[in-house]
Amino acid sequence: NAGVMQNPRHLVRRRGQEARLRCSPMKGHSHVYWYRQLPEEGLKFMVYLQKENIIDESGMPKERFSAEFPKEGPSILRIQQVVRGDSAAYFCASSPPGLRAQYFGPGTRLTVL
Amino acid sequence: KQEVTQIPAALSVPEGENLVLNCSFTDSAIYNLQWFRQDPGKGLTSLLLIQSSQREQTSGRLNASLDKSSGRSTLYIAASQPGDSATYLCAVSGSRLTFGEGTQLTVNP
Repeated sequence: NAGVMQNPRHLVRRRGQEARLRCSPMKGHSHVYWYRQLPEEGLKFMVYLQKENIIDESGMPKERFSAEFPKEGPSILRIQQVVRGDSAAYFCASSPPGLRAQYFGPGTRLTVL
Repeated sequence: KQEVTQIPAALSVPEGENLVLNCSFTDSAIYNLQWFRQDPGKGLTSLLLIQSSQREQTSGRLNASLDKSSGRSTLYIAASQPGDSATYLCAVSGSRLTFGEGTQLTVNP
């Protein structure tokens, strides 16, 4: 059973470009979470999704950020018009139903030039 | 709003010592508590999960306790090894995880 997969592992974008981060949950997990770790800061919750539904997006910035978890395929975190302050490690986690342990992917490290 | 605090922020010990990492949280209405390990530049590895109805969990040299009423958890590491050097994160759950800032552990050979 493969773990949570994230790609790309490293992503470099120039200011104003779009960043797309992908997350494939563990097999059998229907819940996906995105977290952001800014340099020298702790992990902060961004969004919680189930298939085709956003359950809690209270941690997402109101502008430029969006997330989806379609019926087929990976979850996508999309950042439009990136700025230098978006440079961070973005982690995806998945869990089965029932508020169980969350398992984390290796993260995508976004660098905005 | 849930807040999670970890003490100490950093800890350096000689190999072989037993040590305790502390975690406190402000809202006792949690579903579970997880301890993670994070190596530099890497992702998170789940170490232990304690459900809110449980008092402790053990895995090898690791033992985690939970006192929900007082808002505290401890992670006990027995016979520490240099390979244990990492940042240890405590996180409490609702539907989302709220993380502490972590304890950076260095075990010296």
